[in-house]
Amino acid sequence: GESVGLHLPTLSVQEGDNSIINCAYSNSASDYFIWYKQESGKGPQFIIDIRSNMDKRQGQRVTVLLNKTVKHLSLQIAATQPGDSAVYFCAENAGGKLIFGQGTELSVKP
Amino acid sequence: DAGVIQSPRHEVTEMGQEVTLRCKPISGHNSLFWYRQTMMRGLELLIYFNNNVPIDDSGMPEDRFSAKMPNASFSTLKIQPSEPRDSAVYFCASSFGTGQRQPQHFGDGTRLSIL
Repeated sequence: GESVGLHLPTLSVQEGDNSIINCAYSNSASDYFIWYKQESGKGPQFIIDIRSNMDKRQGQRVTVLLNKTVKHLSLQIAATQPGDSAVYFCAENAGGKLIFGQGTELSVKP
Repeated sequence: DAGVIQSPRHEVTEMGQEVTLRCKPISGHNSLFWYRQTMMRGLELLIYFNNNVPIDDSGMPEDRFSAKMPNASFSTLKIQPSEPRDSAVYFCASSFGTGQRQPQHFGDGTRLSIL
């Protein structure tokens, strides 16, 4: 029979608004985290990373926040644009391997 | 700058056939990774090379899968014999350094369909 794929969490935002994509990670010993953007038909594209000795890091229009107490990572995108529509993955370095989350689909409404 | 280059972009073949996927990492990167992406299981690491040496192949699903890195600028992932459940998108990624605490840069993948 036909297999059923996972339904990704979806975030829908208005163009120009800020987006916040959340990620819960599993391993309290993880010391490196990374966000990727994946557009349809393409490979994951590196956005920003953060090490566990930091709790915030900023890039161009993006900010990553790390809360080690509750094992939570977030990606904030300022002034979201239609080109930001994609699936966003967080990944943690757990035991020497990058472990990827299932992803969140961001949809930007014009 | 050229990114990670994978070929072919698409492959459709019948079960039982041998499939070879190819990857050229970014020049100067010394770590190379093969991943498989499916809707059901997401992105899974299959194998990881550092300085052309396989470091961790615990993600390789079965003996039908093999990977080689004969030099710093080329790697292959081979499936023999292929089965319909191998259908997925296969990504290659490369990075500087050892371990996995550096950004990995991905190619655009090979979409593999086994009939």
